[in-house]
Amino acid sequence: EVVLTQSPGTLSLSPGDGATLSCGTSQTLRSVDIAWYQQKPGQSPRLLIYSSSIRATGIPDKFSGSGSGTDFTLTISRLEPEDFAVYYCQQSGSSPYTFGQGTKLEIK
Amino acid sequence: EVVLVQSGAEVRKPGTSMKISCKTSGYTFTDYYIHWVRQAPGKGLEWMGFIFPQNGETVYSEKLQGRVTLTADTSADTAFMDLTSLKSDDAALYYCATGDRFLKFFWGPGTLVTVSS
Repeated sequence: EVVLTQSPGTLSLSPGDGATLSCGTSQTLRSVDIAWYQQKPGQSPRLLIYSSSIRATGIPDKFSGSGSGTDFTLTISRLEPEDFAVYYCQQSGSSPYTFGQGTKLEIK
Repeated sequence: EVVLVQSGAEVRKPGTSMKISCKTSGYTFTDYYIHWVRQAPGKGLEWMGFIFPQNGETVYSEKLQGRVTLTADTSADTAFMDLTSLKSDDAALYYCATGDRFLKFFWGPGTLVTVSS
């Protein structure tokens, strides 16, 4: 099973800041294998990024993804109150299609 | 508009079974996969498996293999998730989601399952 380790577990920032969230994988993956989801309290997850760097429909360009091999990153610029949520990476390189444990982005 | 409506909350005793439904609308049911993901209280997301309604192909998480069965009724645009031999750590919010083989574009609201004696 591919293990995804997200860091930090919690990130405390202020509106207007930029955020960098990391996702490390226990095996080398292709860029197409990584997606990022956002989950706000009390809501279902939402697809943000797929194939490491492609924004899903309707996702603003303040969200960007990058990475390769075993290290992947989600970057969020100019944080707004609605961006404070939990972010999960997920791999589709091999079954089971595991998620990371999540990074909670909270208001400082 | 794509909409996924899930069945209501379930309360089950350990050792019993449950079946959750996911009624879809707004797209061609047989063109996309249905994934099932669960989330224990205060925890992260766990992928359970998917079904492709067009041909019935299923892939399950090895952790749940043998206890989970995914089915789809193409005449009703509805997917189902059966989970047997319930344990306390099966208590979770169960989501269905539609998308391609790997991605989940649209999610249902979740079905809360409580397992308690």
